[in-house]
Amino acid sequence: DGGITQSPKYLFRKEGQNVTLSCEQNLNHDAMYWYRQDPGQGLRLIYYSQIVNDFQKGDIAEGYSVSREKKESFPLTVTSAQKNPTAFYLCASTRDRDAGNTIYFGEGSWLTVV
Amino acid sequence: GQQVMQIPQYQHVQEGEDFTTYCNSSTTLSNIQWYKQRPGGHPVFLIQLVKSGEVKKQKRLTFQFGEAKKNSSLHITATQTTDVGTYFCAQASKIIFGSGTRLSIRP
Repeated sequence: DGGITQSPKYLFRKEGQNVTLSCEQNLNHDAMYWYRQDPGQGLRLIYYSQIVNDFQKGDIAEGYSVSREKKESFPLTVTSAQKNPTAFYLCASTRDRDAGNTIYFGEGSWLTVV
Repeated sequence: GQQVMQIPQYQHVQEGEDFTTYCNSSTTLSNIQWYKQRPGGHPVFLIQLVKSGEVKKQKRLTFQFGEAKKNSSLHITATQTTDVGTYFCAQASKIIFGSGTRLSIRP
């Protein structure tokens, strides 16, 4: 089945550690996105990529990094510089960044700092 | 920057009552999309509105796009427990989401 796969589903991190969340899509979509969702809150854009080897900061990029070496993969690294990383992280993709494309989401990754 | 405001933030209704959430933008929208996120789940696409004054229906759900294309609404008639979740509007062209309305239902 076509879709977006995020892993791991649950992740615990010690303070000061970097962690990387995986996002893979087999929809042949050009654009990919990372969102952060805090409990009971909306979606905030961290980074997005419109094409391989290119990505742009979203509204809350500080403390995060991404790469887009392959079309199907858009991993997110939560660095130790992110002061409050505990949240639900959602990866998404669209066919391209034109208006009107449906946004497909992965099932999300829960990150908890212990 | 451009914002998409959504109200109310929470709505708790008795099963069978109606529910409405509103989405307002400070600028004209080229289109608007609606998504539903079940508790613990991920957002799932419901519908897209493009034309001024457009109204679309999906069973008990009615979606409207304002004449000025600056606001939109989602109305659910006779809510059921399966309607529980958070409903988001999104400006698709910039991938900007509203803050969402969380719907809970008393059986």
